[in-house]
Amino acid sequence: EVQLVQSGAEVKKPGESLKISCKGSGYSFTNYWIGWVRQMPGEGLEWMGIIYPGDSDTTYSPSFQGQVTISADKSFSTAYLQWSSLKASDTAMYYCARHQTGAVGPTRADYWGQGTLVTVSS
Amino acid sequence: QSALTQPRSVSGSPGQSVSISCTGTSSDVGGYNYVSWYQQHPGKAPKLMIYDVSKRPSGVPDRFSGSKSGNTASLTISGLQAEDEADYYCYSYAGSYNYVFGTGTKVTVL
Repeated sequence: EVQLVQSGAEVKKPGESLKISCKGSGYSFTNYWIGWVRQMPGEGLEWMGIIYPGDSDTTYSPSFQGQVTISADKSFSTAYLQWSSLKASDTAMYYCARHQTGAVGPTRADYWGQGTLVTVSS
Repeated sequence: QSALTQPRSVSGSPGQSVSISCTGTSSDVGGYNYVSWYQQHPGKAPKLMIYDVSKRPSGVPDRFSGSKSGNTASLTISGLQAEDEADYYCYSYAGSYNYVFGTGTKVTVL
C-alpha cells in the first residue's frame, strides 16, 4: 500500500528555522516525483515545488523560490521542506504528494500525505 | 503564474448534475492535456478524482467526469450525492515542470 506519512504539527516563533518531512512507503521512492503544496487557513491549494528523489532534480514555483528549500534523502525514502527564517505568514497546512509521470514529466498527484500544520506566532 | 479561475461555489439537489469550470491560458490548461481534479473534505487531504482531463482513477465513481475545451476544463458531477459536498480544485501542468492550482470551488448539496 502506497503511503506518505508526514511529520507532526509544529509551533514556532518568527525567525526560527524548521524542516518538515514526508516519508514514502509501499513503492519505489526514487522513481516518483514528490510535490509540496501549501494551504493557508481557509484558503486554497498552492503549488510550491517538486523534487525527483532519484537525482534530487528540483523545480520551485516562482512564488516560493528563495523562501523554502525542498530536498530528499533516498536512503530514508523521505522528502523535506525547510525554512531558514519563518514568518507569521508561513502559518499553514503543508501537504506532500506523490506525482505520476506522463509524457512531459510529473502530471498528477495520486497519493497525498496527511498534512503538517505549521503555526508561526510570537 | 496566476491561479486558474474557478467559480467560488456551485450547488445542486441530490440527483442533479453540477459542473465546475476551470479557466486558464494557452500556457497551462489550453497547452496540455494534463488537467487533474481534486476533492477535499474539511480537515482532510485532497483526493485525486480526475486526471489527464477526463480519466478516472480506480475507485472513483463514474458520476465524476472531466472535459476540456480550449483554455477551460470542466468537472461534472452527475447524480449528486450528499457525500459529494466538498471543495474541488483543478490542477494543470504549466510547462517546464511548473504547475498551477485553481482557486477552488465549494460544492453544496441542497
